[in-house]
This record gives sequence, C-alpha cells and structure tokens, in this order.
Amino acid sequence: DGGITQSPKYLFRKEGQNVTLSCEQNLNHDAMYWYRQDPGQGLRLIYYSQIVNDFQKGDIAEGYSVSREKKESFPLTVTSAQKNPTAFYLCASITTGSNTEAFFGQGTRLTVV
Amino acid sequence: GENVEQHPSTLSVQEGDSAVIKCTYSDSASNYFPWYKQELGKRPQLIIDIRSNVGEKKDQRIAVTLNKTAKHFSLHITETQPEDSAVYFCAPTRGGYQKVTFGIGTKLQVIP
Repeated sequence: DGGITQSPKYLFRKEGQNVTLSCEQNLNHDAMYWYRQDPGQGLRLIYYSQIVNDFQKGDIAEGYSVSREKKESFPLTVTSAQKNPTAFYLCASITTGSNTEAFFGQGTRLTVV
Repeated sequence: GENVEQHPSTLSVQEGDSAVIKCTYSDSASNYFPWYKQELGKRPQLIIDIRSNVGEKKDQRIAVTLNKTAKHFSLHITETQPEDSAVYFCAPTRGGYQKVTFGIGTKLQVIP
C-alpha cells in the first residue's frame, strides 16, 4: 500500500515531552520528507533528506529534529521547543530519477494534551 | 527556493460543471508539474502530471495545461462529480533539486 509506513496513526503527547514519529519506506527512494498540515495551511515542509546521513531544514524546522541513518527510515522528533505541535504530519519519499512523483504515508495525527 | 502560489483557495461548483485550479511558480528551471488530490482524512495522491516538454496532458475528465513562459500550470476537471470533492495541491519541481514545495491547496466542493 504505497510502500511508505507511518506510525503511529494517532499520538498524544503531554506538554513538555519529546515524541518521535516513525516513517519507513521500501520503495528504494533516495529522498524523504516531512510535512506538517494544519487546516487551511496546506503542506509545509519541516525537513528533508536526499541521502543517508544528510538532511536539510525546510520552511518550519524550529522545534523539530530528524535523522537519516538508513535509506529506508526518516524519523521525526517533535521536541518540547515546538510551541504548537498539534497537527497532522505527513512523510513522503521521492526517487531521484526522472519521475519525481511523491509517495505519502498515511499520516500521524499528533495531539498535545 | 521555489515560491508556489495556488488559486483559488476554495471552489464550489455544481455537479456536472467544470473546475479550474491554477498554480503559479517562480523557479524557471522547474520541469515537473504534478497535481495531487487529498480526500478528507487521507494521504495526498498523484492524479496527473506533466513535464516541461509538453503543453497539455489529458486523462479522462482531468487535464493539466502548462505555460512555461508565464510560469503557471492549471488543473482542469470536467463533468465534475461529488467524488471529486477534495483538496488539490500542486508541487512544481526540477530534477536534482529536491526541495519539494507544495501550494497551499484548493478545496473543491462539488454540489450535487
């Protein structure tokens, strides 16, 4: 089913806690992305990685961190420094070939309680 | 980086009418122009795309047109149906530069 798996689907976090969202792909794609989606705000880029052990900040990276130790995995940590973390988070991957279609995971809905 | 603008942000049409959504971009080197559809609570999925060497592409009721000179491309949906109701995103990109920026999205409502 699309080859990208995000977990969990729903996540609840207490204020002041860090939380890590998982994203795994078996499409052999080089590039992976994290987007945040709020109502009426579209998809905003948090971080992206084009190759293992390398990643770049997107447009709203503050309060987030990532790692890319394996090609298949790109976890996102929402830290306590993120002031408004409640949102829908989408992970995507893209091959670096001529077809740059983005494949998305099912998303994780994070709620701060 | 790419500056992407999408218009309109919301669109309501009667069932059977046509809908047009426009995406304007800033990077003249962009060469891949996709449209994604996101149904409520679901992930975005590619519905149609076009490359810079083509001016128009059609797939049944949907089509995409590209104007590289003016740096915009449009999604056209004809004979709209209730299942076309969704949010549509554009995401122009260029090969080798993989920061993918999406438009803000257009919420299309098809009224039965």
